[in-house]
Parts: sequence; structure tokens; C-alpha cells
Amino acid sequence: QVQLVQSGAEVKKPGASVRVSCKASGYTFTSYEINWVRQAPGQGLEWMGWMEPNTGNTAYTEDFRGRVTMTRSTSTGTAYLELTNLRSDDTAVYFCARGAGADYFYYHFDVWGKGSTVTVSS
Amino acid sequence: QSVLTQPPSASGTPGQRVTISCSGSRSNVGGNTVSWYQQLPETAPKLLIYMNNQRPSGVPDRFSGSKSDTSASLAISGLQSEDEADYYCATWDDSLKGVVFGGGTKLTVL
Repeated sequence: QVQLVQSGAEVKKPGASVRVSCKASGYTFTSYEINWVRQAPGQGLEWMGWMEPNTGNTAYTEDFRGRVTMTRSTSTGTAYLELTNLRSDDTAVYFCARGAGADYFYYHFDVWGKGSTVTVSS
Repeated sequence: QSVLTQPPSASGTPGQRVTISCSGSRSNVGGNTVSWYQQLPETAPKLLIYMNNQRPSGVPDRFSGSKSDTSASLAISGLQSEDEADYYCATWDDSLKGVVFGGGTKLTVL
């Protein structure tokens, strides 16, 4: 079945970096964008950006530009999110989600990973 | 502040019909289709509705979506206790050039 399996929880100090992985299976990895969405404790969902696995092209929201990098390994079907210069307010669950829809007009997330908890604490 | 506006809470009794609204602008809801996600406690979001009113396979027909101009709605009929969850709307924003979410609505089944 189609699924996205994410890496485990991380605890980091302020100023450090974290890398979260998202391994796809059950479909052709290069055919769908991988999006990253985060959820701070008790808060709503926040889209961070996406990565096109076929080309490696990325788009990030203004809030994360300069601190976030989304990459992939096409050989293993794995997407990665790296966030640098971590702050306490980066403490959140980070979800990867497969993008679906022929273009922006129809865009939605049809498959989600279970989430990776990142805790930033001194 | 979220780009899309949802009521923070909604409630109903078993068997009732409840609706959750999602208000935006021409650059997002007004110009693109809306999707809805259900997030049960301590779990990942799940796609409930896409393209305004389409249900993925496996989603009960008790869930329905609609859109008019710059507002969208999610309706849940025959409310059940297992529907107690957070619900989020989302769409593409042409001005921000990205996906935007509503702030979420916590549904309580009384």
C-alpha cells in the first residue's frame, strides 16, 4: 500500500540542525511532490514547502527561507527535511505529505506520514 | 493568524448534522479548490474531501463538502462519537504561491 514512513523523534539544542526523513513506498516516488507540514504543540497545521522528487526543485515559504532545505534520494525513495539554527519555537511535529492534483488549482495532500517530533530545548 | 478562517470549535449530539465553515479570499478559496482534513487526537491528518466535494475511497458519505465564492463548508451528517477530531481546510494561495490552511476546528460530540 502507499505509505510514507518517517524517522523517529529528535531532541536538539537551540542553534543546532535537524534532519528528518520520509521514505515512500507503494508508488513511483518521482511522480508526486513531497510536502512538509509542521504542527507546534496545541497549534494548527503550517505548510513549509515542497520538493519535486523528479527534479529536486523546491519551494519554501517565506517563514522558513534561509533555514530549511528539502532534498531527496531517488535511489531509496526518501525525502529529507533539514532545518538549521533551531529555536525553541521550532518544537513541533513535522509531517511529510504527498501532493496530488494536476496543478495548483486542484492541489491537496492525499497521503501523510505519521509525523516526526522535534523538540528544541537547552 | 491563519490565512483561512475557521471557527475554533463546533459541537453536536450523535445523529445530528454539523457544518464547519472556511472563509478566505479571491486569491485562495475564491480561485482554487478546497480540501479538508480530519485529525484524530495524536494522529496524522487524513484527507477527507478534495476538489471541494470529492471523497477519497473509504471516506463515508456522511462527510460532504461545498464551496461558494470565497467560502467553503464541510458538513457531517449522522454525527458519531468517532467524528470527534480537529478539522482543517486548505487550498492553494495564488498570491502567497503556497498552500494555506485554516486554523482548525475542534469538533466535540456531546
